[in-house]
Amino acid sequence: SQKIEQNSEALNIQEGKTATLTCNYTNYSPAYLQWYRQDPGRGPVFLLLIRENEKEKRKERLKVTFDTTLKQSLFHITASQPADSATYLCALRNKFYFGSGTKLNVKP
Amino acid sequence: NAGVTQTPKFRVLKTGQSMTLLCAQDMNHEYMYWYRQDPGMGLRLIHYSVGEGTTAKGEVPDGYNVSRLKKQNFLLGLESAAPSQTSVYFCASSYSELVSTDTQYFGPGTRLTVL
Repeated sequence: SQKIEQNSEALNIQEGKTATLTCNYTNYSPAYLQWYRQDPGRGPVFLLLIRENEKEKRKERLKVTFDTTLKQSLFHITASQPADSATYLCALRNKFYFGSGTKLNVKP
Repeated sequence: NAGVTQTPKFRVLKTGQSMTLLCAQDMNHEYMYWYRQDPGMGLRLIHYSVGEGTTAKGEVPDGYNVSRLKKQNFLLGLESAAPSQTSVYFCASSYSELVSTDTQYFGPGTRLTVL
């Protein structure tokens, strides 16, 4: 069965540093992958999409990589700010699979 | 635009009771989805619809029914609630499933507790 793994442990980093979150998947080869942000008590909000033939995608301070050989996506937030504190979910599309998310805490 | 709205925001049911959750979107999206989110489990798809009058099963459909009589509305029904259905329910919509237009827009969620 499909399995998406995101680090369930919270990631704590200092403001200004780069946060790197990991999404690993098995038993499936998605055509593309998405990253969402979820704040407490709210629904997820779309951030970035990366296709299988794209190695890297950027949007402002966000960067996503997609390694179909390793079956892994990395999500980076550079120059992190306390406002970036949230849970970040990866999603494999075509099959509507979401990871359980990694909580990011950025400390001032 | 209100985006995706969900009614109610909170609900407490007793085992065996029934209820309907309403999702509405004003973006003219074709696709609509119902997910449940449990701690450590992530979002799991219950049912989805690819257009008015259509529905399909997702990963965890048992105990739920859905209807899409109007394009803008997607209803999720629990006929006989069970404690295992205690969860936060999210509705989402998207224009289509094509890569370029597949962004899902989520509602604020409904927190359901079944005693």
